[in-house]
Amino acid sequence: AQSVTQLDSQVPVFEEAPVELRCNYSSSVSVYLFWYVQYPNQGLQLLLKYLSGSTLVKGINGFEAEFNKSQTSFHLRKPSVHISDTAESFCAVSEYGGSQGNLIFGKGTKLSVKP
Amino acid sequence: DAGITQSPRHKVTETGTPVTLRCHQTENHRYMYWYRQDPGHGLRLIHYSYGVKDTDKGEVSDGYSVSRSKTEDFLLTLESATSSQTSVYFCAISGGPYEQYFGPGTRLTVT
Repeated sequence: AQSVTQLDSQVPVFEEAPVELRCNYSSSVSVYLFWYVQYPNQGLQLLLKYLSGSTLVKGINGFEAEFNKSQTSFHLRKPSVHISDTAESFCAVSEYGGSQGNLIFGKGTKLSVKP
Repeated sequence: DAGITQSPRHKVTETGTPVTLRCHQTENHRYMYWYRQDPGHGLRLIHYSYGVKDTDKGEVSDGYSVSRSKTEDFLLTLESATSSQTSVYFCAISGGPYEQYFGPGTRLTVT
């Protein structure tokens, strides 16, 4: 069975510092990987996705993530964060060729950017 | 933003009463999903639909039922609400085997 582990529940960081949100997954088959962001009192918005091809994917708002198949990881990074990046982010995985309902989410990482 | 609306956006109800949440899409996507979001649990799939009148259970389906009589509408019903169903409910849609797009959410409180 698939599972997603977000290694940090909270990440505090100062403005303009770099940040990395860590995500590991387990699956016996090939997967698609996603990062979603949720700003306070809003729904989820897709940040970026890995479907195939280049393992480094770029998303909105300057975020990027790297798919590492050998380490089953999909860590999210940003070189310089802003106050407006304060949000909760969720890593998610779905199986290649799997059920259309089979999108498994991690429990979330709260990024708190301080001035 | 994907054309997804949820109604109501907020609801307070009493234990034992029936509740129906509605998800409406204007994208003509085939797949629709209901999730619940709880602190420390992330999002968990309740039910999903892969076409009109075609639905299936997700991870946390007990106490919930769904119906989809039209492509654009997906209803989630709590037959007899319990306090454990206090949560934020999100609807999502998808046109294929890739990413899902989420609605704004419904905050449900069961007293």
